[in-house]
Amino acid sequence: QIQLQQWGAGPVKPSETLSLTCAVSGASFSGFSWSWIRQPPGKGLEWIGEINHSGGTNYNPSLKSRVTVSVDTSKNEFSLKLTSVTAADTAVYYCARGEQRGSFFSNWGQGSLLTVSS
Amino acid sequence: SYDLSQPLSVSVALGQTAKITCGGNRIGGKNVHWYRQKPGQAPVLVIYSDDNRPSGIPERFSASNSGNTATLTISRAQAGDEADYYCQVWDSGIYVFGTGTTVTVL
Repeated sequence: QIQLQQWGAGPVKPSETLSLTCAVSGASFSGFSWSWIRQPPGKGLEWIGEINHSGGTNYNPSLKSRVTVSVDTSKNEFSLKLTSVTAADTAVYYCARGEQRGSFFSNWGQGSLLTVSS
Repeated sequence: SYDLSQPLSVSVALGQTAKITCGGNRIGGKNVHWYRQKPGQAPVLVIYSDDNRPSGIPERFSASNSGNTATLTISRAQAGDEADYYCQVWDSGIYVFGTGTTVTVL
């Protein structure tokens, strides 16, 4: 059974960096893509970025200048860093497993509400 | 950027059929995936690649995709089907989600 367990430190102050990590169990890292997706309170889903097992990344152009997704295959974990945050970055952040790049998301983490507040 | 539009809300009587549309330019040429999200929970995949159901999703869920509209159909609607539903495609190197539809079972 594939499980994604995520965590992150919050709240985050404006202009600081938001960090989240997702641990994967029950699945190999190779052959899949690993994404971050967010959902502002009461709003829809927005894809942030993805990484594969070899570290290849792909980012949403709207966030690309502020986003870094990295992977630690030795720990079966991948991480998100979002810099220079503002109140508009307040959202529930999800990690998710993609069957392959450009396809669908089969498994999701439980979600982490990260609030940007001074 | 590619936009996917969904109705804000759909109401369906218990036991009847609900249809949720997802509009996008020539969406019929893309693979469309659908997710169900209940309050406070992560989304769950209910349909992938236009009309395929993951294991554990009942046959009451079906979908189609043609022209500029993809449609998710929920037959014999149950109270447990109340949720937000999102369509999703891959376009120009990024993942795009629809605006989301809230389904209410009356």
